[in-house]
Amino acid sequence: NAGVTQTPKFQVLKTGQSMTLQCAQDMNHEYMSWYRQDPGMGLRLIHYSVGAGITDQGEVPNGYNVSRSTTEDFPLRLLSAAPSQTSVYFCASSPPGRKKAFFGQGTRLTVV
Amino acid sequence: DQQVKQNSPSLSVQEGRISILNCDYTNSMFDYFLWYKKYPAEGPTFLISISSIKDKNEDGRFTVFLNKSAKHLSLHIVPSQPGDSAVYFCAATVSNQGAQKLVFGQGTRLTINP
Repeated sequence: NAGVTQTPKFQVLKTGQSMTLQCAQDMNHEYMSWYRQDPGMGLRLIHYSVGAGITDQGEVPNGYNVSRSTTEDFPLRLLSAAPSQTSVYFCASSPPGRKKAFFGQGTRLTVV
Repeated sequence: DQQVKQNSPSLSVQEGRISILNCDYTNSMFDYFLWYKKYPAEGPTFLISISSIKDKNEDGRFTVFLNKSAKHLSLHIVPSQPGDSAVYFCAATVSNQGAQKLVFGQGTRLTINP
């Protein structure tokens, strides 16, 4: 019963490097989202998707790209990492019509 | 502009007593509210929710109260237990949007003292 799985759990990047944070869910949920958590800021929505092939921007989308080719996977790409992207990233999924989102365990990213 | 605000970064409560966590919101379009609990190095987990058609929802030791006119909600935990020590996030959404666009508060760190 895996739920929402995020990889890697920890990552250190140099400024300017690119990488992809992976998110997979096995609950057949149509809705998926990416959030970042920063001290004193709570969780802020980066991008979300309401189904395969459909994505949209959240509150803080700059510097991030997403795609949704399958129901299960929703990767988040950092195009050119910046120190301001140092954060903990959470992926979440939910079925349509439900208000409760299920979260992964998070990826702690440090950009130096 | 923070649409959902938790003005208390931390709260310390004696075991067995009541814990009250508060949350304010500014967007009058929000009509569904949730509380999430987060332990260190884990993702947030759903705790309890309330729709704007209600003013109270109970689940065991947890009760959420909603005051729409004041745009305020609170989470009551009674009695508080050591395992309740965690960061609590208030979240809000517009019900026709589902859970893909939750707006979160900053979180309140609750510490239950034995």
